[in-house]
Parts: sequence; C-alpha cells; structure tokens
Amino acid sequence: AQKITQTQPGMFVQEKEAVTLDCTYDTSDQSYGLFWYKQPSSGEMIFLIYQGSYDEQNATEGRYSLNFQKARKSANLVISASQLGDSAMYFCAMRVRENYGGATNKLIFGTGTLLAVQP
Amino acid sequence: DGGITQSPKYLFRKEGQNVTLSCEQNLNHDAMYWYRQDPGQGLRLIYYSQIVNDFQKGDIAEGYSVSREKKESFPLTVTSAQKNPTAFYLCASWGGREQYFGPGTRLTVT
Repeated sequence: AQKITQTQPGMFVQEKEAVTLDCTYDTSDQSYGLFWYKQPSSGEMIFLIYQGSYDEQNATEGRYSLNFQKARKSANLVISASQLGDSAMYFCAMRVRENYGGATNKLIFGTGTLLAVQP
Repeated sequence: DGGITQSPKYLFRKEGQNVTLSCEQNLNHDAMYWYRQDPGQGLRLIYYSQIVNDFQKGDIAEGYSVSREKKESFPLTVTSAQKNPTAFYLCASWGGREQYFGPGTRLTVT
C-alpha cells in the first residue's frame, strides 16, 4: 500500500537553530515524487520543496533542504536557521500516478507535524 | 494573477441542507481535485477530475458530488448524506510537477 508516515505530531525549535522533520514513505513504484508543504494557521498550502525518485542530489530551496535516503524510504525536511514565521503545520506528500484519462497524478499526504519556533 | 479561487472563505449551514463550494482556476490546468481536512489531520482526497465532463471518486467520496462542465470550474456539493460535513475544504489543480492549492473554505454545519 502507498503511504506517507510522519511520526512527529509536534516539534519545538529555538529561533535560528536547524530542525529536521521526519517523513517515511511506502511505495512499490519506481517513479514517484516527494513534496513538502507548509500550512500556516490561515490554512493555505504553501509548496516548499520537491524531490523526484530519480534525482541523485538532495533538493534544496533556500533554507529548506530535503534529506532523501531512497534505500531507507525517507524524505526528511531540514529547515536551517529557523524563524518565527516558520511556525506552522508541515505536510509530507508523495505523488502517485494512475492510468485515468492519461496519466493522472495524485498526492498522498501524511498527518503532518506542527512546528513551533520559540524566540 | 494566475491561481485558484475558492469562495466563500467561511460558510455556515444548517444540518440537512445541501451546500455547494465553488472552485475556479485560471491556470489552464486539466486536473482538479477536492480535499477535506479535519483539525490536526492531513488532507484526504474526495474527488478528482482529469478532463471536462469526467471525474473520479477519491478516498472519501460518500456524501459528496461534483461536476466539471468547464475546464476552469470544479464545484463540490456537500449533501445532507454526509454525516460529518464540518471541515476545511481545499481545492487544487495539477500543473507541471506540483499541485497548486486554493485558499480553502471552512464549512460549519450545525
């Protein structure tokens, strides 16, 4: 079964420190994509970073990096130099494909990690 | 500006009434999706549509219905058959390698 697991319901981090949010995935597909989204209290979903299953280098986007360990099926998000504005819910998601009307993409989400950045 | 709009942001209904949530996109994306989110939970897929006049059930379609008469529009109807309709509803589309989300509608049914 295709699944995303986020085992940390909540995390605290001091401002300016780095934090790692855990994500493991389960799929038998060879081609897949892994995403991280940020959801502040307003509810909007903000795309942070993407890693394709064939990408050999770990993805980075500014202060965000994705620690992709394919053999362990993990895709942890690392936020460097945390800021107060990083306090939010963070979701890991996996793209799966279905053969419907051509190849259709779907996202499977984890249950999220609530990050609180303390001054 | 290109994007996805959902209206209204907050919606209140009495139990037993059907309610329709709107979703419009001007991104020229073919695929559109509806998700439900409950407090402290992840997103669960309700319905999705790859092309006009066609759509597929997601993981929790019972009590919901959709239509896709235009590429730009994918309205979701929460029917009286949905046992726990109070939730946050997010509309999304797929473009390139990622999913784009609307701002969401918070539905409260009392």
